[in-house]
Amino acid sequence: GQSLEQPSEVTAVEGAIVQINCTYQTSGFYGLSWYQQHDGGAPTFLSYNALDGLEETGRFSSFLSRSDSYGYLLLQELQMKDSASYFCAVRDTGGFKTIFGAGTRLFVKA
Amino acid sequence: NAGVTQTPKFQVLKTGQSMTLQCAQDMNHNSMYWYRQDPGMGLRLIYYSASEGTTDKGEVPNGYNVSRLNKREFSLRLESAAPSQTSVYFCASSPARGPASTDTQYFGPGTRLTVL
Repeated sequence: GQSLEQPSEVTAVEGAIVQINCTYQTSGFYGLSWYQQHDGGAPTFLSYNALDGLEETGRFSSFLSRSDSYGYLLLQELQMKDSASYFCAVRDTGGFKTIFGAGTRLFVKA
Repeated sequence: NAGVTQTPKFQVLKTGQSMTLQCAQDMNHNSMYWYRQDPGMGLRLIYYSASEGTTDKGEVPNGYNVSRLNKREFSLRLESAAPSQTSVYFCASSPARGPASTDTQYFGPGTRLTVL
């Protein structure tokens, strides 16, 4: 079967660094994406990794290891506005079918 | 640019009623998607359209039909609504042309559907 696993909740302090892990098991793999979703809002794209290694975009970085079927999202200098749900998603067979994880709820405390 | 727009924003149906959710994008994207999101869960793909004129089933297609009317528009139809279809429905589009393209999906604001 196809599955993505990520922690259900993470709590961190403002200004800290937090890492959200994602492991996947899918029939095909073209890349790993990360999305952010605030309560009541729509998901917004954060990053995409097709190759092994680290991609950095401002305070956010994303890492992929294809051999380990594993990736993570790293958020630095946490701000209160980073409190949201974060989803990893795998681009599956054919390159268009996208499978999402159940999401990680991040709580940032003052 | 409006991005991805969806109508309606809210809808209440009775069991057995039918309705069509509308989605349009003005970014000239090739790929479009329909997802549903249940409380506390991730998004599940219902149908997708890799390009104008093509549609394919996702994870949870039963009870739904889609139409890729043209490059801009991708509609989702519930022929006979059931309480299990109560959910938030998101439409998304992507400029991706194939596996080698970066998969950036842009989401609409969602339609909150309740089936009584």
